[in-house]
Amino acid sequence: EDQVTQSPEALRLQEGESSSLNCSYTVSGLRGLFWYRQDPGKGPEFLFTLYSAGEEKEKERLKATLTKKESFLHITAPKPEDSATYLCAVLIITGSARQLTFGSGTQLTVLP
Amino acid sequence: GAVVSQHPSRVICKSGTSVKIECRSLDFQATTMFWYRQFPKQSLMLMATSNEGSKATYEQGVEKDKFLINHASLTLSTLTVTSAHPEDSSFYICSARDIHRMGINEKLFFGSGTQLSVL
Repeated sequence: EDQVTQSPEALRLQEGESSSLNCSYTVSGLRGLFWYRQDPGKGPEFLFTLYSAGEEKEKERLKATLTKKESFLHITAPKPEDSATYLCAVLIITGSARQLTFGSGTQLTVLP
Repeated sequence: GAVVSQHPSRVICKSGTSVKIECRSLDFQATTMFWYRQFPKQSLMLMATSNEGSKATYEQGVEKDKFLINHASLTLSTLTVTSAHPEDSSFYICSARDIHRMGINEKLFFGSGTQLSVL
Protein backbone atom coordinates (compact mmCIF):
# COMPACT_ATOMS: atom_id res chain seq x y z
CA GLU A 1 0.00 0.00 0.00
CA ASP A 2 1.30 3.44 -0.92
CA GLN A 3 2.08 5.56 2.11
CA VAL A 4 3.36 9.04 2.76
CA THR A 5 4.50 9.86 6.30
CA GLN A 6 5.56 13.24 7.55
CA SER A 7 7.46 13.96 10.74
CA PRO A 8 7.35 15.57 13.12
CA GLU A 9 3.63 16.30 13.39
CA ALA A 10 4.41 19.63 15.00
CA LEU A 11 7.57 21.66 15.36
CA ARG A 12 8.22 24.80 17.36
CA LEU A 13 11.33 26.80 16.57
CA GLN A 14 12.80 30.02 17.77
CA GLU A 15 13.35 32.62 15.09
CA GLY A 16 16.68 31.87 13.43
CA GLU A 17 16.76 28.25 14.60
CA SER A 18 17.26 26.10 11.49
CA SER A 19 15.66 22.67 11.20
CA SER A 20 14.35 20.06 8.77
CA LEU A 21 11.01 18.47 8.08
CA ASN A 22 10.83 14.90 6.85
CA CYS A 23 8.59 13.21 4.30
CA SER A 24 9.11 9.49 3.85
CA TYR A 25 7.27 7.46 1.29
CA THR A 26 6.70 3.89 0.24
CA VAL A 27 5.10 4.01 -3.16
CA SER A 28 5.45 2.32 -6.50
CA GLY A 29 5.45 4.33 -9.67
CA LEU A 30 6.56 7.62 -8.11
CA ARG A 31 6.50 10.39 -10.68
CA GLY A 32 7.12 13.37 -8.47
CA LEU A 33 7.18 14.66 -4.93
CA PHE A 34 5.59 17.99 -4.11
CA TRP A 35 5.94 20.30 -1.16
CA TYR A 36 3.15 22.72 -0.26
CA ARG A 37 2.63 25.32 2.41
CA GLN A 38 -0.84 25.71 3.89
CA ASP A 39 -1.99 28.56 6.08
CA PRO A 40 -5.06 28.09 8.30
CA GLY A 41 -8.31 28.20 6.34
CA LYS A 42 -6.57 28.43 2.98
CA GLY A 43 -5.66 26.07 0.19
CA PRO A 44 -2.14 24.69 -0.20
CA GLU A 45 0.42 26.93 -1.86
CA PHE A 46 2.90 25.21 -4.16
CA LEU A 47 6.55 25.31 -3.10
CA PHE A 48 8.59 22.67 -4.95
CA THR A 49 8.46 19.64 -7.20
CA LEU A 50 11.22 17.05 -7.06
CA TYR A 51 11.49 14.23 -9.56
CA SER A 52 14.66 12.25 -9.01
CA ALA A 53 16.90 11.18 -6.15
CA GLY A 54 19.64 13.69 -5.52
CA GLU A 55 17.60 16.61 -6.78
CA GLU A 56 17.57 19.79 -4.72
CA LYS A 57 15.57 22.99 -5.03
CA GLU A 58 15.76 26.22 -3.09
CA LYS A 59 13.46 29.15 -2.50
CA GLU A 60 14.39 31.86 -0.04
CA ARG A 61 14.88 30.14 3.34
CA LEU A 62 13.59 26.79 2.11
CA LYS A 63 15.51 23.96 0.49
CA ALA A 64 13.99 20.66 -0.56
CA THR A 65 15.96 17.48 -1.17
CA LEU A 66 14.95 14.04 -2.37
CA THR A 67 16.31 10.53 -1.89
CA LYS A 68 14.83 7.23 -3.00
CA LYS A 69 12.86 6.90 0.21
CA GLU A 70 12.37 10.36 1.62
CA SER A 71 12.44 14.07 1.14
CA PHE A 72 13.56 16.80 3.48
CA LEU A 73 12.44 20.38 3.66
CA HIS A 74 15.22 22.37 5.27
CA ILE A 75 14.36 25.70 6.80
CA THR A 76 17.31 28.01 7.37
CA ALA A 77 17.03 30.84 9.88
CA PRO A 78 13.23 30.75 9.93
CA LYS A 79 11.09 33.78 10.61
CA PRO A 80 7.65 33.94 12.29
CA GLU A 81 6.03 34.36 8.87
CA ASP A 82 7.26 30.87 7.97
CA SER A 83 4.76 29.48 10.47
CA ALA A 84 2.34 27.24 8.58
CA THR A 85 1.54 23.62 7.91
CA TYR A 86 3.89 22.06 5.36
CA LEU A 87 2.47 19.25 3.29
CA CYS A 88 4.28 16.83 1.05
CA ALA A 89 2.56 14.82 -1.62
CA VAL A 90 3.63 12.13 -4.05
CA LEU A 91 2.37 11.83 -7.57
CA ILE A 92 1.75 8.28 -8.62
CA ILE A 93 0.91 7.23 -12.13
CA THR A 94 -0.57 3.80 -12.69
CA GLY A 95 -1.50 3.25 -16.29
CA SER A 96 -3.61 6.22 -17.27
CA ALA A 97 -4.53 7.07 -13.69
CA ARG A 98 -2.79 9.82 -11.77
CA GLN A 99 -3.10 10.33 -8.05
CA LEU A 100 -1.61 12.77 -5.61
CA THR A 101 -1.30 11.30 -2.13
CA PHE A 102 -0.67 13.71 0.72
CA GLY A 103 1.13 13.25 3.99
CA SER A 104 -0.54 14.45 7.17
CA GLY A 105 1.59 17.57 7.32
CA THR A 106 3.97 19.20 9.78
CA GLN A 107 2.65 22.18 11.67
CA LEU A 108 5.54 24.62 12.03
CA THR A 109 5.47 27.43 14.56
CA VAL A 110 8.30 29.95 14.57
CA LEU A 111 8.45 32.05 17.70
CA PRO A 112 9.83 35.59 17.61
CA GLY B 1 1.11 32.88 -11.95
CA ALA B 2 -1.71 30.42 -12.43
CA VAL B 3 -4.73 31.01 -10.24
CA VAL B 4 -7.57 28.78 -9.20
CA SER B 5 -10.61 30.53 -7.80
CA GLN B 6 -12.91 28.67 -5.45
CA HIS B 7 -16.24 30.02 -4.35
CA PRO B 8 -17.75 30.41 -1.84
CA SER B 9 -15.02 30.54 0.78
CA ARG B 10 -17.46 29.80 3.56
CA VAL B 11 -21.01 28.51 3.66
CA ILE B 12 -23.38 27.66 6.45
CA CYS B 13 -26.48 25.68 5.59
CA LYS B 14 -29.29 23.77 7.22
CA SER B 15 -29.33 20.01 7.26
CA GLY B 16 -31.06 18.59 4.20
CA THR B 17 -30.17 21.42 1.83
CA SER B 18 -27.75 21.24 -1.08
CA VAL B 19 -24.65 23.34 -1.50
CA LYS B 20 -22.72 24.02 -4.69
CA ILE B 21 -19.03 24.85 -4.69
CA GLU B 22 -17.36 26.26 -7.79
CA CYS B 23 -13.76 25.86 -8.85
CA ARG B 24 -12.44 27.95 -11.73
CA SER B 25 -9.05 28.07 -13.37
CA LEU B 26 -8.65 31.75 -14.19
CA ASP B 27 -5.77 31.92 -16.61
CA PHE B 28 -5.20 28.39 -17.81
CA GLN B 29 -7.09 25.41 -19.13
CA ALA B 30 -7.61 22.48 -16.83
CA THR B 31 -8.74 19.19 -18.34
CA THR B 32 -8.50 17.62 -14.91
CA MET B 33 -9.59 18.99 -11.57
CA PHE B 34 -9.39 17.29 -8.21
CA TRP B 35 -11.64 17.65 -5.20
CA TYR B 36 -10.28 17.14 -1.71
CA ARG B 37 -11.72 17.12 1.75
CA GLN B 38 -9.78 18.13 4.80
CA PHE B 39 -10.71 17.67 8.44
CA PRO B 40 -9.09 19.85 11.10
CA LYS B 41 -5.39 19.14 11.54
CA GLN B 42 -5.52 16.33 9.01
CA SER B 43 -4.19 16.02 5.50
CA LEU B 44 -6.05 16.39 2.26
CA MET B 45 -8.09 13.38 1.27
CA LEU B 46 -8.82 12.98 -2.41
CA MET B 47 -12.54 12.63 -3.02
CA ALA B 48 -12.76 12.55 -6.78
CA THR B 49 -11.08 13.41 -10.02
CA SER B 50 -13.13 15.28 -12.57
CA ASN B 51 -12.32 15.31 -16.23
CA GLU B 52 -13.76 17.84 -18.62
CA GLY B 53 -16.65 16.41 -20.56
CA SER B 54 -16.77 13.05 -18.81
CA LYS B 55 -17.94 11.51 -15.58
CA ALA B 56 -15.89 12.03 -12.46
CA THR B 57 -13.89 9.23 -10.91
CA TYR B 58 -14.64 8.83 -7.23
CA GLU B 59 -12.36 7.44 -4.58
CA GLN B 60 -13.43 4.42 -2.61
CA GLY B 61 -15.88 5.31 0.11
CA VAL B 62 -17.04 8.57 -1.47
CA GLU B 63 -20.75 8.59 -2.28
CA LYS B 64 -21.34 9.58 -5.88
CA ASP B 65 -24.94 10.56 -5.27
CA LYS B 66 -24.07 12.78 -2.34
CA PHE B 67 -21.13 14.57 -3.91
CA LEU B 68 -22.11 15.48 -7.45
CA ILE B 69 -19.29 16.71 -9.64
CA ASN B 70 -19.70 18.46 -12.94
CA HIS B 71 -16.81 19.54 -15.15
CA ALA B 72 -18.59 21.17 -18.05
CA SER B 73 -15.75 23.29 -19.39
CA LEU B 74 -11.98 23.53 -19.36
CA THR B 75 -12.11 26.20 -16.69
CA LEU B 76 -14.96 25.20 -14.39
CA SER B 77 -15.74 22.27 -12.13
CA THR B 78 -18.48 22.21 -9.53
CA LEU B 79 -19.03 20.06 -6.46
CA THR B 80 -22.56 19.84 -5.14
CA VAL B 81 -23.09 18.41 -1.69
CA THR B 82 -26.64 17.10 -1.82
CA SER B 83 -28.89 16.77 1.22
CA ALA B 84 -26.09 17.92 3.46
CA HIS B 85 -25.81 16.62 7.01
CA PRO B 86 -23.66 17.80 9.91
CA GLU B 87 -21.12 15.07 9.21
CA ASP B 88 -20.51 16.66 5.81
CA SER B 89 -19.11 19.71 7.56
CA SER B 90 -15.53 20.03 6.42
CA PHE B 91 -13.04 22.06 4.43
CA TYR B 92 -13.30 21.30 0.73
CA ILE B 93 -10.45 22.18 -1.64
CA CYS B 94 -10.19 21.89 -5.38
CA SER B 95 -7.09 21.78 -7.50
CA ALA B 96 -6.45 21.91 -11.20
CA ARG B 97 -3.79 20.70 -13.58
CA ASP B 98 -2.61 23.03 -16.29
CA ILE B 99 -2.68 21.02 -19.51
CA HIS B 100 0.25 23.03 -20.79
CA ARG B 101 2.39 22.27 -17.71
CA MET B 102 2.55 18.54 -17.55
CA GLY B 103 5.35 16.05 -17.12
CA ILE B 104 8.57 17.58 -15.86
CA ASN B 105 6.93 20.92 -15.15
CA GLU B 106 3.79 19.52 -13.63
CA LYS B 107 2.30 21.17 -10.63
CA LEU B 108 -1.15 21.44 -9.21
CA PHE B 109 -2.76 24.74 -8.42
CA PHE B 110 -5.15 24.84 -5.51
CA GLY B 111 -8.20 26.86 -4.77
CA SER B 112 -8.45 28.68 -1.45
CA GLY B 113 -10.94 26.20 -0.08
CA THR B 114 -14.54 26.25 1.11
CA GLN B 115 -15.45 25.79 4.75
CA LEU B 116 -18.83 24.06 4.89
CA SER B 117 -20.76 24.05 8.12
CA VAL B 118 -24.01 22.11 8.20
CA LEU B 119 -26.30 22.91 11.10
